[in-house]
Amino acid sequence: EAQVTQNPRYLITVTGKKLTVTCSQNMNHEYMSWYRQDPGLGLRQIYYSMNVEVTDKGDVPEGYKVSRKEKRNFPLILESPSPNQTSLYFCATGDRFNEKLFFGSGTQLSVL
Amino acid sequence: RKEVEQDPGPFNVPEGATVAFNCTYSNSASQSFFWYRQDCRKEPKLLMSVYSSGNEDGRFTAQLNRASQYISLLIRDSKLSDSATYLCVVTGNAGKSTFGDGTTLTVKP
Repeated sequence: EAQVTQNPRYLITVTGKKLTVTCSQNMNHEYMSWYRQDPGLGLRQIYYSMNVEVTDKGDVPEGYKVSRKEKRNFPLILESPSPNQTSLYFCATGDRFNEKLFFGSGTQLSVL
Repeated sequence: RKEVEQDPGPFNVPEGATVAFNCTYSNSASQSFFWYRQDCRKEPKLLMSVYSSGNEDGRFTAQLNRASQYISLLIRDSKLSDSATYLCVVTGNAGKSTFGDGTTLTVKP
């Protein structure tokens, strides 16, 4: 079954404590991306990757890091989380040029 | 001005009604266009791709007007299960996707 697996589903942490949200896909997609969704602001792109070892900034990259060492995984790293990073995060994958995105089930992050 | 703008809604319609959503985009170089559906706090799911020639999928019709930089979604014979937020998505050739803020639809009995 084609899947985008995102973990954890919920995460509560404290300011400054490094965390990683994982994203894995079994669809052999080249394209992967991270979004955050906040009330009144819609979905905003954080980072995206067109292929292994290729990553680019989206609209709101500050405070986030990503890596794409292998095709199936695209972790989102918050080196020093702050309360303004409290949000609902989605990972997405797509075939060439992100036609038809497939989303993970989301991670609700709360930074206290 | 936002890159992708949608009707803010919310739209509250009775079952069986026809409802239309509009979306405009500012980047004339945009290449791909989509409508996604999102249920409360869940992941967005692709509803339809949008083409200049127009495309239809059952009760749903999507249309793209490149000259006016305008996308539309028409839902006929609304069902209770159509209640959701509908997101307009525009993609450029560099892989960047821009989402509209979404339009919330509530279909009532």
